[in-house]
Amino acid sequence: RKEVEQDPGPFNVPEGATVAFNCTYSNSASQSFFWYRQDCRKEPKLLMSVYSSGNEDGRFTAQLNRASQYISLLIRDSKLSDSATYLCGHNQGGKLIFGQGTELSVKP
Amino acid sequence: EPEVTQTPSHQVTQMGQEVILRCVPISNHLYFYWYRQILGQKVEFLVSFYNNEISEKSEIFDDQFSVERPDGSNFTLKIRSTKLEDSAMYFCASSERARTERDKNIQYFGAGTRLSVL
Repeated sequence: RKEVEQDPGPFNVPEGATVAFNCTYSNSASQSFFWYRQDCRKEPKLLMSVYSSGNEDGRFTAQLNRASQYISLLIRDSKLSDSATYLCGHNQGGKLIFGQGTELSVKP
Repeated sequence: EPEVTQTPSHQVTQMGQEVILRCVPISNHLYFYWYRQILGQKVEFLVSFYNNEISEKSEIFDDQFSVERPDGSNFTLKIRSTKLEDSAMYFCASSERARTERDKNIQYFGAGTRLSVL
């Protein structure tokens, strides 16, 4: 099993839609999780950190399910500018372990 | 807003040549990292650096790679003899010193250096 696994997509959604991504991880000892956003050929930029059950920031909600070892990201009322690749990662002793990313394309 | 800066943005080199990728981490940060992303693949950890020494390195970070903090601001990644498969985006990242748990440190990434080995 991969350390961090994501559905690569692409997810093609219309503006205003709600979209959810899941990410599974194999290390049950992991404590800290992150969602980063990466635009094409750019650096990962932090979207949200998750240390307990979840986190919410505006249109973005992250949920952590430790029993099932997955973390989800929900984007409500999606905008054209949300089009990007979303990277799920966890911190393992200081280093970030990322999944391969989920591509989102929001269409007008 | 403070940011991690990397130079050059694009480096083209011949196979077998040495390259040095440069990074200036955020000024009050004490943990430094290098990651690599081969085109179309995931971002992979290479090495972490704290208190002037390597904290951890991945299997990718073999004897051809080295890191250095030559002064109070720069953090460099050297590849001694580049191979074709070293072609990738190299990202530098930094994080603050841990207050409670190092795992919770947010890592901020630079814009990357695209290395092309011909």
